[in-house]
This record gives sequence, structure tokens and C-alpha cells, in this order.
Amino acid sequence: GENVEQHPSTLSVQEGDSAVIKCTYSDSASNYFPWYKQELGKGPQLIIDIRSNVGEKKDQRIAVTLNKTAKHFSLHITETQPEDSAVYFCAASKGGGSNYKLTFGKGTLLTVNP
Amino acid sequence: DAGVIQSPRHEVTEMGQEVTLRCKPISGHNSLFWYRQTMMRGLELLIYFNNNVPIDDSGMPEDRFSAKMPNASFSTLKIQPSEPRDSAVYFCASSVTSGTYNEQFFGPGTRLTVL
Repeated sequence: GENVEQHPSTLSVQEGDSAVIKCTYSDSASNYFPWYKQELGKGPQLIIDIRSNVGEKKDQRIAVTLNKTAKHFSLHITETQPEDSAVYFCAASKGGGSNYKLTFGKGTLLTVNP
Repeated sequence: DAGVIQSPRHEVTEMGQEVTLRCKPISGHNSLFWYRQTMMRGLELLIYFNNNVPIDDSGMPEDRFSAKMPNASFSTLKIQPSEPRDSAVYFCASSVTSGTYNEQFFGPGTRLTVL
């Protein structure tokens, strides 16, 4: 089955700096890659996603890049703010038919220091 | 919409007792997912349903775990008998699955503690 590796497990940055989280996946058939943010005591919430026919996607301060050849994708957060502090999860899915299950990475605890 | 609703939010029980977790998905969503989250193992998919039918239960740890979805607006995850190693946060998520798109909306979770 699919295996998703996520690095780093913890990341501490100063407010205003950029943060980058990287993930690799094993199944070349995967074609949907969402990123979730989980705040303390809450369920994960989708913040951005990318499909395999796109190499990059941006939404304000958040961007995701995908390299299908190397089977890795990354989350970039620019101009970080204290409210960005949370656990971030990457995931991969094949989609279609009965393949809607998401395989998640182990998560990255991001701390933005004021 | 109220989002995905889970109950109870917290459950403390003793080893050997039966535990039932409940989930109401977002109206109109056709897929429902049960996850377990622990520090050691992260976020694991236990089972998912599409149009009320179980599609993949390969993540269910053992026969003590069972899940049902009797209709489009309700699902249960049951553990019988419960064990201390079942202590975790259990999340339910729902989505509208179409093509490659599968944005899953998570509920607030049920924190289960088995003593």
C-alpha cells in the first residue's frame, strides 16, 4: 500500500520567516495530495490540495509544489504568523473508484515564535 | 451546516467495557471515514464507507472493532471489549467523492480513555 513520509517532525521559526515541510510518497498511482492543519483539541482541516496534473498551487501565503517524477511534494508558508502554529499533515490518495482513502504522513509540529 | 458531528467528545471507561462512538456526517456527503490518532502511530484510517457500504476495513485493528452505517446520516464505531491500548482520539470525516477529488471534513473527535 501507499506509504507517506513527512519531514521534519518539528519546525520552529521566527514570525515573518518562511516554513517548508516536505513529504514523499511511494505509490506512483497516487494523484491527489492534500495538506491538513490541526490545531490543539480540534480535527484536521484542509488548507490546500494539489492534483497530479499541476506542479504548483498558491493560496495567499500558502503554496504547494509537486514533483511526480521524484514522488515528493512540499508545503511552503511565507510570512509566518503565530496563528500558523499547529500540526500539519500531508496525505496522498489515488482517488477514483474505491480508492478514496487518504494515507497521512506523521505530521509536523510548527511553532511560530513572536 | 453544522459540520461533522461526533459524540461523545470524551469517553472514559474501564477495560472490558463496550464503547460506542457516533458520527453524523455532513448532509449530502457520500463517503464517511473513521480514523484513530495516537502519538505513536499518527493518523490511521480504520474503515471507510461509500454510499453506506463499507469499502475498505483493512485498518480495523482486530475483531473487537466494528463499524456500521445504517443510513446516510449516521455511523457508529464500536469496541467490544475495550482495552487500554485502544486509548486514542477517534475522528470521523465525511466527503463528496468525485473523480480524484476527496476533500475530507473532519469532526472534532472523541477522546477515548480506557483504564
